[in-house]
Amino acid sequence: NAGVMQNPRHLVRRRGQEARLRCSPMKGHSHVYWYRQLPEEGLKFMVYLQKENIIDESGMPKERFSAEFPKEGPSILRIQQVVRGDSAAYFCASSPDSRMGAFGSGTQLSVL
Amino acid sequence: AQRVTQPEKLLSVFKGAPVELKCNYSYSGSPELFWYVQYSRQRLQLLLRHISRESIKGFTADLNKGETSFHLKKPFAQEEDSAMYYCALSGRGQLTFGSGTQLTVLP
Repeated sequence: NAGVMQNPRHLVRRRGQEARLRCSPMKGHSHVYWYRQLPEEGLKFMVYLQKENIIDESGMPKERFSAEFPKEGPSILRIQQVVRGDSAAYFCASSPDSRMGAFGSGTQLSVL
Repeated sequence: AQRVTQPEKLLSVFKGAPVELKCNYSYSGSPELFWYVQYSRQRLQLLLRHISRESIKGFTADLNKGETSFHLKKPFAQEEDSAMYYCALSGRGQLTFGSGTQLTVLP
């Protein structure tokens, strides 16, 4: 079992471009969580998804951010028209149920 | 609302000294609490969870419902314990993290 796979590991974007972060959960895990770690801050919850459904998106900024977890394929966190403040490490975690699971290595997004 | 507070952003101790990383929580219900560790340039990994009552790498944590605390302790710190430690609470399908404590163990 390869664990939670996130790619890319590092992503560089210019202001105004789109960023797509991918998360492949562990085999058998149907729950996915996205977290953001801003410089000098702790982990902040963004969104909780199950296959094809968004369960809780209370931590997602209202604009430019979206997440999906399709029936087939990885979960995608999409950030449109990135700004410098979006620079952060984005972590994905997966779980077989609504409780705890495993984390990916994260994607470091840098916005120039 | 569920909340996790880690009051110390930075903590330094000498090798061999005891270490305690503080964590307080607020949650209306029976919480499930965890400690996560992130070593430099590595992924976040689970250190321990209160329901298993394990001791991992010499660390222990006891849930104190009266004080709503889940402090992480180790009697003799090692240099390899230097890392970022996060306390987390699981409830209602959401995992809430504290802001983290950067532990540095000095030689």
